[in-house]
Amino acid sequence: GNSVTQMEGPVTLSEEAFLTINCTYTATGYPSLFWYVQYPGEGLQLLLKATKADDKGSNKGFEATYRKETTSFHLEKGSVQVSDSAVYFCAQNNAGNMLTFGGGTRLMVKP
Amino acid sequence: DTAVSQTPKYLVTQMGNDKSIKCEQNLGHDTMYWYKQDSKKFLKIMFSYNNKELIINETVPNRFSPKSPDKAHLNLHINSLELGDSAVYFCASSQVDGKIYEQYFGPGTRLTVT
Repeated sequence: GNSVTQMEGPVTLSEEAFLTINCTYTATGYPSLFWYVQYPGEGLQLLLKATKADDKGSNKGFEATYRKETTSFHLEKGSVQVSDSAVYFCAQNNAGNMLTFGGGTRLMVKP
Repeated sequence: DTAVSQTPKYLVTQMGNDKSIKCEQNLGHDTMYWYKQDSKKFLKIMFSYNNKELIINETVPNRFSPKSPDKAHLNLHINSLELGDSAVYFCASSQVDGKIYEQYFGPGTRLTVT
C-alpha cells in the first residue's frame, strides 16, 4: 500500500544551521507530494508541494524536490530560525485525494 | 475570515456518550475530510467526502460517521465513545475537480474521553 516514511525526531539545531528532513514514499502511480507544518497548539499549514517528478516546491526559504528515481521528497532550508521550531509532516495524496502522512519530525531550533 | 473552522475546540466527555464535532469551510471547495491525530502526533485519514462520493478508511470503526448537511459542512458524529477515541480531530477541505489538491486544515478539536 501507499506509505510515507520520514526521519524520526526530534531534530535540534542552532539558529542559522542547515536543515534536512528526509522523506521517502511508496505509491502506486504518481502522487502529488506535500510538506505540512504544525506549530505548537495549531492546525496544519501547507508549507510546499510538488505535483510531478523533478518539480521543486519552495516557500519561506524551504525547498523540496520530487525525486521519482529515489522516491524521495526531502525538505531543506539553508538557515533555520527559532521561529521554524515546529513539527513537519511529509505527505502524499491517494485515491479521493486523501493524504497519507509520515510520522512527523519535530524540529527545535535554539538561539 | 477563517477558511476552515471547527467547533468545539475542546471536548471532554465520558465513555459511552455520543458526540458531534462540526466543521465548516468558506473556501467553496468540493471535498472535505476528517483526520485523527493521536498522542504521538500520527495523523491518519478517516473520511473523504464530496457530493458524489464518500470514501471511508477501512480502519475507522463504524461508530464514526460523517454527516454533510451541505457542501460547506462536514460534521463528525461519534457513537458510544471509547477511551481510545481521545485524540485531536482535524477537518480539511480541498478543490479536487479543479485539480488544486492542497488541503486546508481547521484548527483541530481536542477530544478527551474519560
